Amino acid sequence: KAGVTQTPRYLIKTRGQQVTLSCSPISGHRSVSWYQQTPGQGLQFLFEYFSETQRNKGNFPGRFSGRQFSNSRSEMNVSTLELGDSALYLCASSFFGSDGEQFFGPGTRLTVL
Amino acid sequence: TQLLEQSPQFLSIQEGENLTVYCNSSSVFSSLQWYRQEPGEGPVLLVTVVTGGEVKKLKRLTFQFGDARKDSSLHITAAQPGDTGLYLCAAYSGTYKYIFGTGTRLKVLA
Repeated sequence: KAGVTQTPRYLIKTRGQQVTLSCSPISGHRSVSWYQQTPGQGLQFLFEYFSETQRNKGNFPGRFSGRQFSNSRSEMNVSTLELGDSALYLCASSFFGSDGEQFFGPGTRLTVL
Repeated sequence: TQLLEQSPQFLSIQEGENLTVYCNSSSVFSSLQWYRQEPGEGPVLLVTVVTGGEVKKLKRLTFQFGDARKDSSLHITAAQPGDTGLYLCAAYSGTYKYIFGTGTRLKVLA
């Protein structure tokens, strides 16, 4: 069974630009969660999607958005990039997104210059 | 606010030594997961503990869930350089959201 895949793995952008990251969950998993990981803040929850609906959102500005498609693939978008957005963005999938186990992708390393 | 606090934050030990990592909270959880993450990669799930008092073993790693399901520990016997990484505990906090511990960065020296 293929694991969670994320593309691209690395991305370099400049301030003010926008970026779109993609995540394909494990086959059969309908819940996708996104996290931002930085050395100072650790793993912080961005949002969770299930069957194309956002069910929860973390404390991030509106510049961070996401969506999920009917095949459960998900994308997250960050607009008007700031230096502080440099981080490892992780996607995790699970069956229902409510308790149980999450499985992570390798992440997308975003660097904002 | 639900929090998971891990200790120690950093640990540097020699190959062959034993160590224990702790994950504590004031909240009760229905289950708790442990992950290991290597630099530049996503966390890899090691184990899920569900029952209070439960002990699970994964080769040289022993995981325990506290009786009250508020805390957990990870014990590594005879650590090896391959055990080096960031160890994270995580739990479902409700409303489709998981919370993660602060992490323990382990370095095992050959």
